[in-house]
Amino acid sequence: KNEVEQSPQNLTAQEGEFITINCSYSVGISALHWLQQHPGGGIVSLFMLSSGKKKHGRLIATINIQEKHSSLHITASHPRDSAVYICAVRRFSGTYKYIFGTGTRLKVLA
Amino acid sequence: GAGVSQSPSNKVTEKGKDVELRCDPISGHTALYWYRQSLGQGLEFLIYFQGNSAPDKSGLPSDRFSAERTGGSVSTLTIQRTQQEDSAVYLCASSNPGGSYNEQFFGPGTRLTVL
Repeated sequence: KNEVEQSPQNLTAQEGEFITINCSYSVGISALHWLQQHPGGGIVSLFMLSSGKKKHGRLIATINIQEKHSSLHITASHPRDSAVYICAVRRFSGTYKYIFGTGTRLKVLA
Repeated sequence: GAGVSQSPSNKVTEKGKDVELRCDPISGHTALYWYRQSLGQGLEFLIYFQGNSAPDKSGLPSDRFSAERTGGSVSTLTIQRTQQEDSAVYLCASSNPGGSYNEQFFGPGTRLTVL
């Protein structure tokens, strides 16, 4: 079993829909990072959080440390949101290296 | 520079050849990471640098892979005697351990294709 699990693996939505991507992890972490990767493109940082909730534009990220779970929400989805969304956790370790989920491939149809 | 840069952006090589991939981290970032993303796979950790030393090399898949960092800045990932299974996107990230959350900032990656 992967230490970081994401669901769903693939998601197709209609423009305007509310989208939720989930990330569950089984290890103790010091922070969780949501990343976005467009096809052929680099990785863009969305949020890094260790507790509570963060909001930026149409994106909202929440984390529940006790339940070892985080969600990324996209409100009023748009075709330009189509990308792979990756959850990465940073363990309590001196190297701060990330452990990555396998990603959620989102396609938003116009 | 303003962000993490990597070169080359694309590299095609023949099986058995050596390749060098370069990473220029954000100025002032003392931590540098190399990751690999194989086709259809998730990201996997390769090696971590703090300054010029590499306290965690646990992700290097074989002794054909090595990396160095000089001057606490530029890093080079070297793959010797490349194999087809080395084909992947190699990503570099840097962070400032004194910064908020030790957030990592990623470069655009180098796409390596081994024929």
